Amino acid sequence: KAGVTQTPRYLIKTRGQQVTLSCSPISGHRSVSWYQQTPGQGLQFLFEYFSETQRNKGNFPGRFSGRQFSNSRSEMNVSTLELGDSALYLCASSLTTGSNQPQHFGDGTRLSIL
Amino acid sequence: AQKVTQAQTEISVVEKEDVTLDCVYETRDTTYYLFWYKQPPSGELVFLIRRNSFDEQNEISGRYSWNFQKSTSSFNFTITASQVVDSAVYFCALVSYNTDKLIFGTGTRLQVFP
Repeated sequence: KAGVTQTPRYLIKTRGQQVTLSCSPISGHRSVSWYQQTPGQGLQFLFEYFSETQRNKGNFPGRFSGRQFSNSRSEMNVSTLELGDSALYLCASSLTTGSNQPQHFGDGTRLSIL
Repeated sequence: AQKVTQAQTEISVVEKEDVTLDCVYETRDTTYYLFWYKQPPSGELVFLIRRNSFDEQNEISGRYSWNFQKSTSSFNFTITASQVVDSAVYFCALVSYNTDKLIFGTGTRLQVFP
């Protein structure tokens, strides 16, 4: 069974640009969550999508947005990139939504802002 | 407020030593779940265990064991007879039924030397 797939693995952008990251969940999983990992702030929850609806959101500015498609694949978009957005962005999927669901993570997309 | 504290930033051991990773959590909710994840250098977070707040039974899985104590709000993780392949960053995480947001600790980097 294929795991969570994130593309691209690495990305370099400059300040002010925008970026879209993609996540394909494990087959059959309907919930997708996104996390940002930085050395300073650690792992922080961005948002969760379930059945194409944003179900939960962390404390990030509106420049961070996402969506989920009918096949459960998800994309995350960051607009007007800032240097501080440099991070490893991790996507996780679970069978369904709910606090008891173990999440299965992808390898992440490492985003570097110049 | 919810919080997970992993006071040990980095631990170094020699192969075959036992090592315990500490995790202390804070939550006002009575229903919550605790998780441990392993992050090898590749970046992917690997799910290790889930424990709900009503189940204080300790668990053993091969060389891994977990000690959950509600009285001290701790969920410690012990690796017995450590191996070089255990080298990774280990994260403890908490999600409460009411918030549904997975909160991670800052992680403990474990280095096992041959």
